[in-house]
Amino acid sequence: EVQLVESGGGLVKPGGSLRLSCAASGFTFSSYSMNWVRQAPGKGLEWVSSISSSSSYIYYADSVKGRFTISRDNAKNSLYLQMNSLRAEDTAVYYCARDGALRPYGMDVWGQGTTVTVSS
Amino acid sequence: EIVLTQSPATLSLSPGERATLSCGASQSVSSSYLAWYQQKPGLAPRLLIYDASSRATGIPDRFSGSGSGTDFTLTISRLEPEDFAVYYCQQYGSSPPYTFGQGTKLEIK
Repeated sequence: EVQLVESGGGLVKPGGSLRLSCAASGFTFSSYSMNWVRQAPGKGLEWVSSISSSSSYIYYADSVKGRFTISRDNAKNSLYLQMNSLRAEDTAVYYCARDGALRPYGMDVWGQGTTVTVSS
Repeated sequence: EIVLTQSPATLSLSPGERATLSCGASQSVSSSYLAWYQQKPGLAPRLLIYDASSRATGIPDRFSGSGSGTDFTLTISRLEPEDFAVYYCQQYGSSPPYTFGQGTKLEIK
Protein backbone atom coordinates (compact mmCIF):
# COMPACT_ATOMS: atom_id res chain seq x y z
CA GLU A 1 0.00 0.00 0.00
CA VAL A 2 1.28 3.43 -0.94
CA GLN A 3 1.53 5.44 2.25
CA LEU A 4 2.95 8.59 3.80
CA VAL A 5 3.08 9.01 7.57
CA GLU A 6 4.05 12.32 9.16
CA SER A 7 5.39 12.77 12.66
CA GLY A 8 7.11 15.37 14.79
CA GLY A 9 4.35 17.89 15.34
CA GLY A 10 3.61 19.41 18.71
CA LEU A 11 3.38 22.53 20.82
CA VAL A 12 6.31 24.94 20.58
CA LYS A 13 6.90 28.47 21.82
CA PRO A 14 7.35 31.39 19.40
CA GLY A 15 10.93 31.48 18.22
CA GLY A 16 11.35 27.76 18.79
CA SER A 17 12.19 24.95 16.41
CA LEU A 18 10.62 21.70 15.32
CA ARG A 19 11.55 18.98 12.84
CA LEU A 20 8.82 17.17 10.95
CA SER A 21 9.35 13.79 9.35
CA CYS A 22 7.43 11.92 6.68
CA ALA A 23 7.97 8.19 6.21
CA ALA A 24 7.13 6.80 2.79
CA SER A 25 6.29 3.22 1.91
CA GLY A 26 4.80 1.21 -0.92
CA PHE A 27 6.48 3.09 -3.76
CA THR A 28 9.93 4.01 -5.06
CA PHE A 29 10.42 7.12 -2.93
CA SER A 30 13.64 8.13 -4.65
CA SER A 31 11.82 8.60 -7.97
CA TYR A 32 9.36 11.25 -6.83
CA SER A 33 9.42 14.93 -5.98
CA MET A 34 7.85 15.66 -2.62
CA ASN A 35 6.05 18.57 -1.03
CA TRP A 36 5.00 20.00 2.31
CA VAL A 37 1.58 21.65 2.39
CA ARG A 38 -0.01 23.21 5.45
CA GLN A 39 -3.49 24.19 6.55
CA ALA A 40 -4.09 26.69 9.33
CA PRO A 41 -7.15 26.06 11.50
CA GLY A 42 -10.30 26.74 9.50
CA LYS A 43 -8.31 27.95 6.50
CA GLY A 44 -7.36 26.72 3.06
CA LEU A 45 -4.34 24.87 1.78
CA GLU A 46 -0.95 26.57 1.52
CA TRP A 47 1.98 25.08 -0.36
CA VAL A 48 5.12 25.34 1.83
CA SER A 49 8.05 23.67 0.08
CA SER A 50 9.07 21.22 -2.64
CA ILE A 51 12.11 19.04 -3.23
CA SER A 52 12.99 17.12 -6.35
CA SER A 53 13.76 13.41 -6.33
CA SER A 54 17.53 13.87 -6.04
CA SER A 55 17.33 17.07 -3.95
CA SER A 56 18.70 19.07 -6.88
CA TYR A 57 15.78 21.49 -6.88
CA ILE A 58 14.36 22.98 -3.70
CA TYR A 59 11.70 25.67 -3.43
CA TYR A 60 10.01 27.52 -0.59
CA ALA A 61 7.01 29.75 -0.12
CA ASP A 62 8.02 33.32 0.70
CA SER A 63 6.28 32.95 4.06
CA VAL A 64 8.81 30.35 5.24
CA LYS A 65 11.92 31.16 3.21
CA GLY A 66 14.98 31.51 5.42
CA ARG A 67 13.27 29.80 8.37
CA PHE A 68 12.31 26.35 7.06
CA THR A 69 14.56 23.76 5.41
CA ILE A 70 13.27 20.81 3.41
CA SER A 71 15.42 17.72 2.96
CA ARG A 72 15.12 14.04 2.17
CA ASP A 73 16.98 10.79 2.75
CA ASN A 74 16.22 8.43 -0.10
CA ALA A 75 18.02 5.58 1.64
CA LYS A 76 15.59 5.91 4.54
CA ASN A 77 12.52 6.72 2.38
CA SER A 78 12.03 9.84 4.44
CA LEU A 79 11.21 13.51 3.93
CA TYR A 80 11.92 16.21 6.51
CA LEU A 81 11.01 19.77 7.30
CA GLN A 82 13.22 21.65 9.74
CA MET A 83 11.27 24.62 11.08
CA ASN A 84 13.13 27.38 12.92
CA SER A 85 12.10 30.78 14.27
CA LEU A 86 8.52 29.60 14.48
CA ARG A 87 5.71 32.14 14.62
CA ALA A 88 2.09 31.95 15.70
CA GLU A 89 1.06 32.09 12.04
CA ASP A 90 2.92 28.82 11.40
CA THR A 91 0.28 27.02 13.46
CA ALA A 92 -1.27 24.49 11.10
CA VAL A 93 -1.67 20.89 10.11
CA TYR A 94 1.35 19.99 8.00
CA TYR A 95 0.94 17.42 5.25
CA CYS A 96 3.59 15.74 3.16
CA ALA A 97 2.44 14.95 -0.36
CA ARG A 98 3.89 13.07 -3.31
CA ASP A 99 4.33 14.84 -6.61
CA GLY A 100 5.25 13.52 -10.03
CA ALA A 101 8.12 11.26 -10.92
CA LEU A 102 9.15 12.73 -14.27
CA ARG A 103 7.18 15.96 -14.07
CA PRO A 104 4.60 17.62 -11.77
CA TYR A 105 1.09 16.29 -12.15
CA GLY A 106 -0.57 17.22 -8.89
CA MET A 107 -0.13 15.70 -5.46
CA ASP A 108 -1.59 12.22 -5.64
CA VAL A 109 -0.61 10.75 -2.28
CA TRP A 110 -0.97 12.59 1.05
CA GLY A 111 -0.15 11.77 4.61
CA GLN A 112 -2.65 12.13 7.42
CA GLY A 113 -1.00 15.32 8.63
CA THR A 114 0.79 16.37 11.81
CA THR A 115 -0.30 19.34 13.90
CA VAL A 116 2.07 22.15 14.79
CA THR A 117 0.94 24.68 17.38
CA VAL A 118 3.06 27.74 18.05
CA SER A 119 1.98 29.42 21.26
CA SER A 120 3.44 30.75 24.48
CA GLU B 1 3.16 34.43 -8.37
CA ILE B 2 -0.03 33.12 -9.95
CA VAL B 3 -3.12 33.89 -7.86
CA LEU B 4 -6.04 31.47 -8.19
CA THR B 5 -9.55 32.71 -7.44
CA GLN B 6 -12.31 30.15 -6.96
CA SER B 7 -16.01 30.84 -7.33
CA PRO B 8 -18.44 30.60 -5.81
CA ALA B 9 -17.15 30.48 -2.25
CA THR B 10 -20.13 28.32 -1.30
CA LEU B 11 -22.39 26.29 -3.56
CA SER B 12 -25.65 24.87 -2.22
CA LEU B 13 -27.11 22.03 -4.27
CA SER B 14 -29.10 18.84 -3.84
CA PRO B 15 -28.01 15.27 -4.55
CA GLY B 16 -28.54 14.43 -8.20
CA GLU B 17 -27.93 17.98 -9.36
CA ARG B 18 -24.99 19.16 -11.47
CA ALA B 19 -22.22 21.20 -9.84
CA THR B 20 -19.99 23.65 -11.68
CA LEU B 21 -17.00 25.09 -9.83
CA SER B 22 -14.71 27.74 -11.33
CA CYS B 23 -11.05 28.58 -10.88
CA GLY B 24 -9.57 31.71 -12.42
CA ALA B 25 -5.86 32.41 -12.66
CA SER B 26 -4.21 35.83 -12.56
CA GLN B 27 -1.99 34.76 -15.47
CA SER B 28 -1.92 31.88 -17.87
CA VAL B 29 -1.19 28.48 -16.33
CA SER B 30 1.46 26.91 -18.49
CA SER B 31 0.74 23.54 -20.08
CA SER B 32 -2.64 23.51 -18.29
CA TYR B 33 -0.84 22.26 -15.21
CA LEU B 34 -3.86 22.65 -12.95
CA ALA B 35 -5.22 20.19 -10.41
CA TRP B 36 -8.43 19.86 -8.42
CA TYR B 37 -8.65 18.37 -4.93
CA GLN B 38 -11.50 17.34 -2.67
CA GLN B 39 -11.18 17.66 1.09
CA LYS B 40 -13.57 16.40 3.75
CA PRO B 41 -13.44 17.55 7.39
CA GLY B 42 -10.51 16.12 9.31
CA LEU B 43 -9.05 14.39 6.29
CA ALA B 44 -6.21 15.06 3.89
CA PRO B 45 -7.03 16.38 0.42
CA ARG B 46 -7.62 13.90 -2.39
CA LEU B 47 -6.45 14.49 -5.95
CA LEU B 48 -9.37 14.43 -8.37
CA ILE B 49 -8.10 15.99 -11.59
CA TYR B 50 -4.62 16.78 -12.92
CA ASP B 51 -3.46 18.52 -16.08
CA ALA B 52 -6.81 20.36 -16.05
CA SER B 53 -8.83 17.45 -17.45
CA SER B 54 -7.29 14.09 -16.54
CA ARG B 55 -8.98 12.09 -13.80
CA ALA B 56 -6.73 10.69 -11.12
CA THR B 57 -6.72 6.97 -10.40
CA GLY B 58 -9.98 5.71 -8.94
CA ILE B 59 -11.93 8.92 -9.42
CA PRO B 60 -15.51 8.36 -10.67
CA ASP B 61 -16.35 9.62 -14.15
CA ARG B 62 -18.99 11.99 -12.78
CA PHE B 63 -16.02 14.27 -12.03
CA SER B 64 -14.62 16.14 -15.02
CA GLY B 65 -12.27 19.04 -15.52
CA SER B 66 -11.92 21.49 -18.36
CA GLY B 67 -10.30 24.76 -19.30
CA SER B 68 -6.98 26.25 -20.27
CA GLY B 69 -5.07 29.48 -19.96
CA THR B 70 -6.68 31.38 -17.10
CA ASP B 71 -10.11 29.76 -16.79
CA PHE B 72 -10.75 26.30 -15.45
CA THR B 73 -13.86 24.38 -14.39
CA LEU B 74 -14.59 21.32 -12.29
CA THR B 75 -17.93 19.70 -13.07
CA ILE B 76 -19.68 17.03 -11.03
CA SER B 77 -22.39 15.69 -13.29
CA ARG B 78 -24.76 14.16 -10.70
CA LEU B 79 -24.02 14.88 -7.08
CA GLU B 80 -23.78 11.95 -4.70
CA PRO B 81 -24.10 12.46 -0.92
CA GLU B 82 -20.37 11.80 -0.49
CA ASP B 83 -19.45 14.64 -2.87
CA PHE B 84 -20.32 17.39 -0.41
CA ALA B 85 -16.95 18.73 0.67
CA VAL B 86 -14.50 21.56 0.01
CA TYR B 87 -12.80 21.70 -3.39
CA TYR B 88 -9.48 23.38 -4.16
CA CYS B 89 -7.74 24.13 -7.41
CA GLN B 90 -3.93 24.29 -7.56
CA GLN B 91 -1.51 25.31 -10.28
CA TYR B 92 1.86 23.64 -10.75
CA GLY B 93 2.69 24.99 -14.16
CA SER B 94 5.18 27.73 -13.58
CA SER B 95 8.04 27.70 -11.15
CA PRO B 96 6.95 27.56 -7.53
CA PRO B 97 5.04 28.79 -5.60
CA TYR B 98 2.52 26.09 -6.44
CA THR B 99 -0.47 28.14 -5.39
CA PHE B 100 -3.88 26.90 -4.28
CA GLY B 101 -7.21 28.63 -4.68
CA GLN B 102 -9.10 29.59 -1.53
CA GLY B 103 -11.59 26.76 -1.94
CA THR B 104 -15.26 26.25 -2.76
CA LYS B 105 -17.49 24.66 -0.16
CA LEU B 106 -20.10 22.42 -1.74
CA GLU B 107 -22.95 22.02 0.74
CA ILE B 108 -26.24 20.19 0.75
CA LYS B 109 -29.21 22.39 0.02
